[in-house]
Amino acid sequence: SSELTQDPAVSVALGQTVRITCQGDSLRSYYATWCQQKPGQAPVLVIYAKNNRPSGIPDRFSGSSSGNTASLIITGAQAEDEADYYCHSRDSSGNHVIFGGGTKLTVL
Amino acid sequence: QLQLQESGPGLVNPSETLSLTCAVSGGSISSSTFYWGWIRQPPGKGLEWIGSISYSGTIYYNPSLKSRVTLSVDTSKNQFSLELSSVTAADTAFYYCARDVRTLTYDAFDFWGQGTMVTVSS
Repeated sequence: SSELTQDPAVSVALGQTVRITCQGDSLRSYYATWCQQKPGQAPVLVIYAKNNRPSGIPDRFSGSSSGNTASLIITGAQAEDEADYYCHSRDSSGNHVIFGGGTKLTVL
Repeated sequence: QLQLQESGPGLVNPSETLSLTCAVSGGSISSSTFYWGWIRQPPGKGLEWIGSISYSGTIYYNPSLKSRVTLSVDTSKNQFSLELSSVTAADTAFYYCARDVRTLTYDAFDFWGQGTMVTVSS
């Protein structure tokens, strides 16, 4: 099986840029997808297939990937970006979805 | 706009079977482009994928839950369902249904239900 590792917590000053990372061997073969979850709400898709944004997601959200690490980048973080962020991808078999443990983003 | 809505008992006895349904509106479940997935989240913890099913019945299960999980689709009602047997307190969680854009190299859950809390307790 495979695992995806995320930092439990990250903070960023208002208006600054923050990178949230996701590490795992399966990321060498499969894209990471990122979702945002605010308290009491269902998750929302923010980045898929490395660096694609669904309609309605601000362009300050972007994604990148290198080797076994995928990143969610927020350029000019806003107060409303404070949330938990989860990456997910496939395991080494390619059949099953695995989630990272999540990163709690605090905007200072 | 596609909408998904979970329904089912909020309280299940230990050792019994948890059954949830996800009603899909604003689009057809019978699309070869999409899968339909279940994800759960214990209170205060992270997300866990349970499984995904296509309208034609192709199913992928989380290996850690596979022995207890059954997914099904009812195209006539435009809904899909989850059954989880032999539940314990560890299965207490928010359960979400979502549309799964599943390709060879990624999944993207692009529409989610609001989630339903299921507590396992006698």
